[in-house]
Amino acid sequence: QKEVEQNSGPLSVPEGAIASLNCTYSDRGSQSFFWYRQYSGKSPELIMSIYSNGDKEDGRFTAQLNKASQYVSLLIRDSQPSDSATYLCAVTLNKFYFGSGTKLNVKP
Amino acid sequence: GAVVSQHPSWVICKSGTSVKIECRSLDFQATTMFWYRQFPKQSLMLMATSNEGSKATYEQGVEKDKFLINHASLTLSTLTVTSAHPEDSSFYICSARDLNSAHNEQFFGPGTRLTVL
Repeated sequence: QKEVEQNSGPLSVPEGAIASLNCTYSDRGSQSFFWYRQYSGKSPELIMSIYSNGDKEDGRFTAQLNKASQYVSLLIRDSQPSDSATYLCAVTLNKFYFGSGTKLNVKP
Repeated sequence: GAVVSQHPSWVICKSGTSVKIECRSLDFQATTMFWYRQFPKQSLMLMATSNEGSKATYEQGVEKDKFLINHASLTLSTLTVTSAHPEDSSFYICSARDLNSAHNEQFFGPGTRLTVL
């Protein structure tokens, strides 16, 4: 079983819609959770971090963490074509684990 | 803040030569840096963890004698691809963990695209 699981996608949403990206992790002791965005041909960029249960909002992005269900998600409101990228979920305990990423396509 | 640079951004070399890639944390200190490799349309693959002042820890299947890592200071790690071959052509990305951060987030450099002819 992989430490971090993500649906590879692609997830297609129309412009202006809410994109919902999901991630599950296997180690219940994981403490820090991150979302990275990676455009094609570029390196990953940290866009959200969350450390406690609940929601954390930053602009159009909301990260949600549910430690009981071992589940972390990223919501992107008012999706724009420029949001089209691969989104990587990452989880840390004593080591950093990345998911394989979900490709998001926002259609104009 | 949290800026990581890499140099060069791209390099083309002949088969059999060695290539050195530098990774620098510009505005924070990093006791730990990471080296990743990414082939087209594939996931990031962790190659090794670079620890300041000590030997790097390599992931299974990564040849330590081929991918030499040096982490001589809190802001600089280097990856040297020795005797490069065409199959080493890839996108090499480093990341750094802020010494003073309680949450272990990693910040990535812009990557180095290596092409071996």
